[in-house]
Amino acid sequence: GAVVSQHPSWVICKSGTSVKIECRSLDFQATTMFWYRQFPKQSLMLMATSNEGSKATYEQGVEKDKFLINHASLTLSTLTVTSAHPEDSSFYICSARAPSGTGYEQYFGPGTRLTVT
Amino acid sequence: QKEVEQDPGPLSVPEGAIVSLNCTYSNSAFQYFMWYRQYSRKGPELLMYTYSSGNKEDGRFTAQVDKSSKYISLFIRDSQPSDSATYLCAMGNAGNNRKLIWGLGTSLAVNP
Repeated sequence: GAVVSQHPSWVICKSGTSVKIECRSLDFQATTMFWYRQFPKQSLMLMATSNEGSKATYEQGVEKDKFLINHASLTLSTLTVTSAHPEDSSFYICSARAPSGTGYEQYFGPGTRLTVT
Repeated sequence: QKEVEQDPGPLSVPEGAIVSLNCTYSNSAFQYFMWYRQYSRKGPELLMYTYSSGNKEDGRFTAQVDKSSKYISLFIRDSQPSDSATYLCAMGNAGNNRKLIWGLGTSLAVNP
């Protein structure tokens, strides 16, 4: 149980285009999902917290107009990188808050590697 | 000073060794402590979580929390090559939307 999927796993796009990444909880409902980015040999950097049916909460320094997050259902959250530039190239990972437990456990998707050329 | 400090390693051990991974933290409000394992180019996988102080054991893995020293540990007994991965500690406190604060991760290589 507690499986989170992400699609696509790998994407290359040209500078100036937009890319959408999907995050799905496959066997549970997730009222809260998180979006992270990770640079090589660095830890996870939380970008935003996504709550179903409401606006995402972005971390300081994250451009909300550039990284659009939509959590339209209890099993799907999307991250759209708008007008992507090479510096947006990174590993993007989503997670979903576990349906039971303390509320701190998160289950992660496999990640999406974005390369902007 | 970062809220959570973790030595990135890399740590290299022979198969069968006992591995000790550690994190220190500065925020005394942290109550929830977790260890995640991340294989290369994959998402992190929750290994263990502990609330407040004490020990927790799950198979070859033991998690310890010492709140008085603001220090947490993960021990891996009889380490296997399949344990080669990056291990991240993460912590949270009540409120703060239950976000996790992450360590840098320690890269572990278990050599056959």
